[in-house]
Amino acid sequence: DSGVTQTPKHLITATGQRVTLRCSPRSGDLSVYWYQQSLDQGLQFLIQYYNGEERAKGNILERFSAQQFPDLHSELNLSSLELGDSALYFCASGLAGGLPHEQFFGPGTRLTVL
Amino acid sequence: GENVEQHPSTLSVQEGDSAVIKCTYSDSASNYFPWYKQELGKRPQLIIDIRSNVGEKKDQRIAVTLNKTAKHFSLHITETQPEDSAVYFCAASGIQGSQGNLIFGKGTKLSVKP
Repeated sequence: DSGVTQTPKHLITATGQRVTLRCSPRSGDLSVYWYQQSLDQGLQFLIQYYNGEERAKGNILERFSAQQFPDLHSELNLSSLELGDSALYFCASGLAGGLPHEQFFGPGTRLTVL
Repeated sequence: GENVEQHPSTLSVQEGDSAVIKCTYSDSASNYFPWYKQELGKRPQLIIDIRSNVGEKKDQRIAVTLNKTAKHFSLHITETQPEDSAVYFCAASGIQGSQGNLIFGKGTKLSVKP
């Protein structure tokens, strides 16, 4: 158990819908990262938050957004869902916001878009 | 941006043999290189990492080497066991302007035959 929690574990929804994925980082960690894992694209970095502020953006679609709350949990919002959004979504947390550091992954949310 | 290439994509070894997985990266500014093990349907788990001021790091049967000049790093697993079977991902820290996000290789599926 990494100490990072994610809910829900599974999510099945239809095209065009909107969903919210939730992540709670390890105690003491200030950074939250979101990654998407699909069969053909591997693990892709989406976005990072550090202590409530957006710190870095990767290959995140405009239909996706995220935020980190004062208690440091984070939510990833996916809207206008398409079949291709079906994937495993992981969040990871780490302590620092600057120098590269260990990241610990949550159990993931498996999203299926029908 | 940063690009990480990983080889081979699949690797099959006999129990007790050694396994080597190699990665190359493109951004000379990258300075943190973790390796993750992911079992089917589970989270990526950090197994070892190395920073650019170190050439080699060992942890029991696992070792990682880094050649900054050639921009490649490798994972070595000795005395492989069936429970080592999993997908292994290498990663490099993000490009300038980002703050620690990881760029992953495509993964190596390791099968250890008893």
